[in-house]
Amino acid sequence: AQSVTQLDSQVPVFEEAPVELRCNYSSSVSVYLFWYVQYPNQGLQLLLKYLSGSTLVKGINGFEAEFNKSQTSFHLRKPSVHISDTAEYFCAVGDSGGYQKVTFGTGTKLQVIP
Amino acid sequence: KAGVTQTPRYLIKTRGQQVTLSCSPISGHRSVSWYQQTPGQGLQFLFEYFSETQRNKGNFPGRFSGRQFSNSRSEMNVSTLELGDSALYLCASSLGLAGGQETQYFGPGTRLLVL
Repeated sequence: AQSVTQLDSQVPVFEEAPVELRCNYSSSVSVYLFWYVQYPNQGLQLLLKYLSGSTLVKGINGFEAEFNKSQTSFHLRKPSVHISDTAEYFCAVGDSGGYQKVTFGTGTKLQVIP
Repeated sequence: KAGVTQTPRYLIKTRGQQVTLSCSPISGHRSVSWYQQTPGQGLQFLFEYFSETQRNKGNFPGRFSGRQFSNSRSEMNVSTLELGDSALYLCASSLGLAGGQETQYFGPGTRLLVL
């Protein structure tokens, strides 16, 4: 079984400051890791994903994440946030053992303060 | 390419009624997954359909059911609605390849309110 933990339910940060959203996972098989973003009144869209290879993954809108196998983490970072980054962010894990077996975390609401 | 569409976008029902939600995936996608999103429970997986067959199922009661048509469009049905079924229901489409590495493309959701 796989699981995802997003420790922070809400993260306030000032505009132009850096931010890190934390994600830890557990799985008994090889995993694929995702970050999705949900803007108000919209569905989720993919920010970035880790399948294999380089542990530093770059995504859209200036976000990046680092896969750390020893710490079973996949934290999301952005060096300078904008007001438009205010949204809810979901970490997700997919395991290699089945079809579309993706488990989502409970989400982190990023509130960018002007 | 048109994105994932869901209808209706908003729905108000009363307890005991039933409801049917519809999802049209991206053209060429054969997998449709359904999720329930609530403030307390987050995103919970309901089920996934691929080529008209339910391939994966989450831990929801039998009141929640679905189906998929030959054109990959999918419907989700909830019978005997309860107050706790109030939620945003999201569907996501993908090609449906083996393994969990695919990106899922989400629709805007159907917001259901049960009174």
